[in-house]
Amino acid sequence: EDQVTQSPEALRLQEGESSSLNCSYTVSGLRGLFWYRQDPGKGPEFLFTLYSAGEEKEKERLKATLTKKESFLHITAPKPEDSATYLCAVHYYSGNTPLVFGKGTRLSVIA
Amino acid sequence: EAQVTQNPRYLITVTGKKLTVTCSQNMNHEYMSWYRQDPGLGLRQIYYSMNVEVTDKGDVPEGYKVSRKEKRNFPLILESPSPNQTSLYFCASSLQANTEAFFGQGTRLTVV
Repeated sequence: EDQVTQSPEALRLQEGESSSLNCSYTVSGLRGLFWYRQDPGKGPEFLFTLYSAGEEKEKERLKATLTKKESFLHITAPKPEDSATYLCAVHYYSGNTPLVFGKGTRLSVIA
Repeated sequence: EAQVTQNPRYLITVTGKKLTVTCSQNMNHEYMSWYRQDPGLGLRQIYYSMNVEVTDKGDVPEGYKVSRKEKRNFPLILESPSPNQTSLYFCASSLQANTEAFFGQGTRLTVV
């Protein structure tokens, strides 16, 4: 069973059509949940870190929220330049402190 | 400029020929890690290092070695590469394990 599940796998939006991406996790002892953006052929680029349920962070058209078992990345009035793969990752208490990534949501914003 | 630098960016090699992918960061970060990214499997952690001389296995360490002799460098070593190690590799660094990570540009490795 995957520890971090992102949905949907792919999302196609019209420019200006707001939506949300989901990241659910099954690990316990969360130490941090991260959102990254990845453009084709490039390394992931950091967006947000959330540490506790109820926390919210915003950056331009993006807003990330966290509950006890999932996080949402809300995209308001997206533009074509927001097209990318959005990755969620969790860091949790364990013997070897891994960082576990979801498989990502591939977002396409059409003008 | 704060950055993580990986070399080479692209590499084609033959089965069994030892290779090293270098990774260097200029941010004085304690934590460094290596990932591989494969279609349908996402990013998976290979090895990580909490500090100099401290390394540990991630989720997929088989066939890889690492070393952390200096804070800024964290090379990934494939002693005897096999075709199933064909992948896109990323190095990353952060202040701590649960803080923002900076990723390198990636190394696309093909083993034939």
